[in-house]
Amino acid sequence: DIQMTQSPSSLSASVGDRVTITCRASQGISNNLAWFQQKPGKAPKSLIYAASNLESGVPSKFSGSGSGTDFTLTISSLQPEDFATYYCQQYSTYPWTFGQGTTVDIK
Amino acid sequence: EVQLLESGGGLVQPGGSLRLSCAASGFTFSTYAMSWVRQAPGKGLEWVSSISGSGVGTYYADSVKGRFTISRDNSKYTLLLQMNSLRAEDTATYYCAKKRNVGYYPPDHWGQGTLVTVSS
Repeated sequence: DIQMTQSPSSLSASVGDRVTITCRASQGISNNLAWFQQKPGKAPKSLIYAASNLESGVPSKFSGSGSGTDFTLTISSLQPEDFATYYCQQYSTYPWTFGQGTTVDIK
Repeated sequence: EVQLLESGGGLVQPGGSLRLSCAASGFTFSTYAMSWVRQAPGKGLEWVSSISGSGVGTYYADSVKGRFTISRDNSKYTLLLQMNSLRAEDTATYYCAKKRNVGYYPPDHWGQGTLVTVSS
């Protein structure tokens, strides 16, 4: 199975900060990488697919990059509604696997 | 508008069975592969199973293989998950998710989830 490792596991940031989360795959997955946002008690929300493509309706402050084994999610200017847990996921091969999550909270 | 509505969760004893349903609307159901993803309380996301649009192709996590069966009724726009021989570690919120497109794509829409609790 492909292991997905996110870092950091959690971070504290202020409104307006630029935030970067990294995700590393244990083997190459091309660009078959998605990012999801989840708020407490809610279902995940799809943000990015194919490493860098924004889902419809997702604001442009979110961006993704990477290919192969190393990927990043960047939030350009953190807003109150962005405080949540973020997960990466590889869909290159079954079993699909997720990173352990990165919780972004208020400093 | 795509909508996914799970049902069928509840409290079940270890060794018992439960069947989850996901009612889909707002898209041509038979075109898209569907998946179940679960989340144990306070834990991360775990993929459980996926099924192709036709229902011919099915895939399972090792943790549920041989105990869970995914299926779909395209005429009723419904995704199913039959869960047998349930264990305490199956306790989780189960989400159904629609695959974004044919080919190598992740989910793009998620249901609100249904909670399954396995306990005596």
